Amino acid sequence: DAGVTQSPTHLIKTRGQHVTLRCSPISGHKSVSWYQQVLGQGPQFIFQYYEKEERGRGNFPDRFSARQFPNYSSELNVNALLLGDSALYLCASSLELAGADTQYFGPGTRLTVL
Amino acid sequence: GQQVMQIPQYQHVQEGEDFTTYCNSSTTLSNIQWYKQRPGGHPVFLIQLVKSGEVKKQKRLTFQFGEAKKNSSLHITATQTTDVGTYVCAGAAAGGGADGLTFGKGTHLIIQP
Repeated sequence: DAGVTQSPTHLIKTRGQHVTLRCSPISGHKSVSWYQQVLGQGPQFIFQYYEKEERGRGNFPDRFSARQFPNYSSELNVNALLLGDSALYLCASSLELAGADTQYFGPGTRLTVL
Repeated sequence: GQQVMQIPQYQHVQEGEDFTTYCNSSTTLSNIQWYKQRPGGHPVFLIQLVKSGEVKKQKRLTFQFGEAKKNSSLHITATQTTDVGTYVCAGAAAGGGADGLTFGKGTHLIIQP
């Protein structure tokens, strides 16, 4: 069984650009959560989608948006990139809501904003 | 909002010594999860604790959840070089799990042979 997959693995953008990150959950998992991990810090919760609906949102500006597709894959979009958006973006999937169930993390997308 | 504090930030031990990391939440949790993260890698799930006062063991690792469900600890007995990494706790707030997990900053375990 494949684990959580994310694409791309690395990305370099310049300030003001936008970016789309993609995630495919483990087969059968209905929940996808997105986290941002800045160097030296723990992951910080951005969004959770469950059954294609946004079920939770962390303390991130409106430049961050996401969606979940009928096949439960998900996209994270970030507009008007800032230098501070440089981080490892992690996607995690679980059978049920993230807080109630084990989360399985993908390898992450490392975003560098110049 | 909910905060999860983890101490110490770094821990240097000699191989064979024990290691403990502590996690404290500002609010009561529905459950707490522990992950291990290697440099440049992603968090790998270790265990989930749900019940007040729960203790779980995985070989040399012992996990505890406090009676008030606000703190937790991870203890490793007789560390080995393969234990190197960052151990991160993550708390789930009471109320259904919609808000994901709140992670601590992690404890970096450094082992000197």
